[in-house]
Amino acid sequence: AIRMTQSPSSFSASTGDRVTITCRASQGISSYLAWYQQKPGKAPKLLIYAASTLQSGVPSRFSGSGSGTDFTLTISCLQSEDFATYYCQQYYSYPLTFGQGTKVEIK
Amino acid sequence: EVQLVESGGGLVQPGGSLRLSCAASGFTFSSYWMSWVRQAPGKGLEWVANIKQDGSEKYYVDSVKGRFTISRDNAKNSLYLQMNSLRAEDTAVYYCARDQGDWFDPWGQGTLVTVSS
Repeated sequence: AIRMTQSPSSFSASTGDRVTITCRASQGISSYLAWYQQKPGKAPKLLIYAASTLQSGVPSRFSGSGSGTDFTLTISCLQSEDFATYYCQQYYSYPLTFGQGTKVEIK
Repeated sequence: EVQLVESGGGLVQPGGSLRLSCAASGFTFSSYWMSWVRQAPGKGLEWVANIKQDGSEKYYVDSVKGRFTISRDNAKNSLYLQMNSLRAEDTAVYYCARDQGDWFDPWGQGTLVTVSS
């Protein structure tokens, strides 16, 4: 199985900050990567697929980049509603696998 | 509006069985792969299984192979997960999700399965 490793596991940030979350795959996955946001007690929400394609309705402050093994999710100007846990997921091969999550907390 | 509503969760003893259901609405259910994804309490996400539009292809994570069976009824716009030989480590919130090409959108609200004596 392809292992997905996110960094950092958690961090604190302030509203207005630019934040970047990294996801690394244990082997090349081309651009078969999605990002999700999950708030406490809620289902995950798709943000980005194909590494950099923004899902309809997702604010443009979210962006994704990367290919092969290294990927990033960037939030250009953190808003209060963005404090959540973020997961990457590869869909290059079965079993489909997720990163362990990155929790973004309020500083 | 696309909606997925899971049901069937609950408390079950180790070794027991449970059948989860997911009712879909707001889209042409028979046109999409569908998946189950779970999340143990306080933990991350784990994909469990998915199924092709006509049910002819199914894939599972190794930890549930031989114990869980995914199925669907397109006439009822419903997805199912039959879970047998349940273990404590199967305790989780189980989400159904529309499979968009092996990424997931949207997700249901989830149903909690607790395996405990």
